[in-house]
Amino acid sequence: KNEVEQSPQNLTAQEGEFITINCSYSVGISALHWLQQHPGGGIVSLFMLSSGKKKHGRLIATINIQEKHSSLHITASHPRDSAVYICAVPGNTPLVFGKGTRLSVIA
Amino acid sequence: GAGVSQSPSNKVTEKGKDVELRCDPISGHTALYWYRQRLGQGLEFLIYFQGNSAPDKSGLPSDRFSAERTGESVSTLTIQRTQQEDSAVYLCASTKWAGETQYFGPGTRLLVL
Repeated sequence: KNEVEQSPQNLTAQEGEFITINCSYSVGISALHWLQQHPGGGIVSLFMLSSGKKKHGRLIATINIQEKHSSLHITASHPRDSAVYICAVPGNTPLVFGKGTRLSVIA
Repeated sequence: GAGVSQSPSNKVTEKGKDVELRCDPISGHTALYWYRQRLGQGLEFLIYFQGNSAPDKSGLPSDRFSAERTGESVSTLTIQRTQQEDSAVYLCASTKWAGETQYFGPGTRLLVL
């Protein structure tokens, strides 16, 4: 069974700050997903990565397969980045989800 | 267009009634997933369909829950004899192939009174 731990649970940042959200998992995987859940509840898939780093706009995701760890970074954070960020990995079900990190970016 | 759609967007029902939730995946997507999110909680996997293979039902919480999908089209999630603890947002997602990026629908918010 794959266990997924995210940290921090909650994060408040000032606009413009560099944000890092961490995800650790217990069992080796083929790929890891980062999702964003907006305050209204909608979920968007941000990244799926199996090695190295991916970048999309101000978002960067990295993964270290050996250490079973991934990070999601947000550069020049903005209030519209306020959301819950969720890490997910394959496990005994198609995806096992972390509990999410609630990010609030204050102007 | 578009994306994954779900209906209804909101459903209020009385304890003991049956409800049926619908998911229309993106055309051409072979894999379809149902998830549940209770208030303030994380996402829970319910069931997964891949093409014409037998579905993975390992996440269904009880035999009151069932789901069907015909081919690679619409799926319905049925909850019989609803209980208050079934109140949650039910989310559907689809992918072109299993293991790829999932596209989520807007969810159905279910409230059981």
